[in-house]
Formats: sequence, C-alpha cells, structure tokens
Amino acid sequence: NAGVTQTPKFRILKIGQSMTLQCAQDMNHNYMYWYRQDPGMGLKLIYYSVGAGITDKGEVPNGYNVSRSTTEDFPLRLELAAPSQTSVYFCASSPTLRGAGISPLHFGNGTRLTVT
Amino acid sequence: KQEVTQIPAALSVPEGENLVLNCSFTDSAIYNLQWFRQDPGKGLTSLLLIQSSQREQTSGRLNASLDKSSGRSTLYIAASQPGDSATYLCAVESSGTYKYIFGTGTRLKVLA
Repeated sequence: NAGVTQTPKFRILKIGQSMTLQCAQDMNHNYMYWYRQDPGMGLKLIYYSVGAGITDKGEVPNGYNVSRSTTEDFPLRLELAAPSQTSVYFCASSPTLRGAGISPLHFGNGTRLTVT
Repeated sequence: KQEVTQIPAALSVPEGENLVLNCSFTDSAIYNLQWFRQDPGKGLTSLLLIQSSQREQTSGRLNASLDKSSGRSTLYIAASQPGDSATYLCAVESSGTYKYIFGTGTRLKVLA
C-alpha cells in the first residue's frame, strides 16, 4: 500500500493564479481531510469528507474548494491564490471502523506552497 | 467549538530526563485523542491513540493519559533521547463530528 499520496511536493504560485493539490489514498478509507500548517503552528482543518459526494467545511475554508467524486481521491482547489495561502498542506485519511489499537489518521507527506 | 491547547510551546531538556507534555481541550465530548510526532519538514507520525473510554495508552517509552472530565491529556516520555527531538502534536476528535482538531504543538529538543 502507498498510503496517502500528495502531489506536487512543492509549488510556487503568483498572486491570482489557481491550482489543484492532489490527494489519493489506497486504503479504502471513507474519511478524508485537508489541513494547512503555517510555520511554527499546529494544523488547521480546511475541508473534510465522510465519503464520495459528501464534503463539509472545516475551520479555515475560505479561498478553497474541494470535491470527492471517488473514495480514493480528494483534490483541493485554490482559486485566486493570495500570499496568506502560503503554507504546508497536508492531506489525511481515516477508516470508518474505529477502535482500540486502530490508528485513525494517516497523513501524506505534504505540499509546500508559496504564493508571491 | 472545540479548542485544543498545548503547553509548553517549546521545551529543552538534557538527555535522560523524564518529561511531560500537556494537551488541553475545551469540549469533553470527545471520541478519541491522538498524539503525533512531526520531524522538521516532514509529515506526521502517529504515536498513541486513546479512545474516550480509556484512561491511558503505552508504547515503549511513551505513555499517554486522558482525563475527559478535566479536558486534559498528557504525554509522558521516559528517559528522553536526542532522537526524541521533534514537535509533538495532539489532536482531538469530538463526538459525532468526524473532525480532528489539532493543538499548536510542543517543540522538544533533547540535548546530548
């Protein structure tokens, strides 16, 4: 299993440009999440999904959009990039079945985005 | 609204010390709490998961406790080593939300 795969690893955008951050998981997890992490800070939840076709806002959704057409993929779209969106973006997934000994959150390696 | 706080923000200790990291949350209606480790420039590695019905979990030199009523969890690291140097994050899943809310993390440095 590859786990959670994020692409690209690095990206530089100009202000006003758009891009899509890709996230794919091969563990058949229903729950998927997008977080951003600013320097020296914890993670803030942008959007999450509990299954294909179902998405909801997290703590900081403004400036982002998501879609979930399949169980495997959960892309994050940035429209009209702004310097405030400079951050490291992490995708995570979680199984539906929870319980003792089952680690719920699995993370990708992140995408480092700079907007100038 | 669930808020998660970690104290201290940074910690520097000599090798061999036992240490405690703290995590506080405002809403005690949680499903589980998870501790993660993050190395500089890297992703997150899961360390311990505590279900809401549990009081503690242990893995090697790590022990995590949970007191739901007071909204607190602690991560105890025994006999710290330079390789333990990293940022430690706690995350709380509130009941019925499917969302994990993270604390701001504790940056740990263990000096040889």
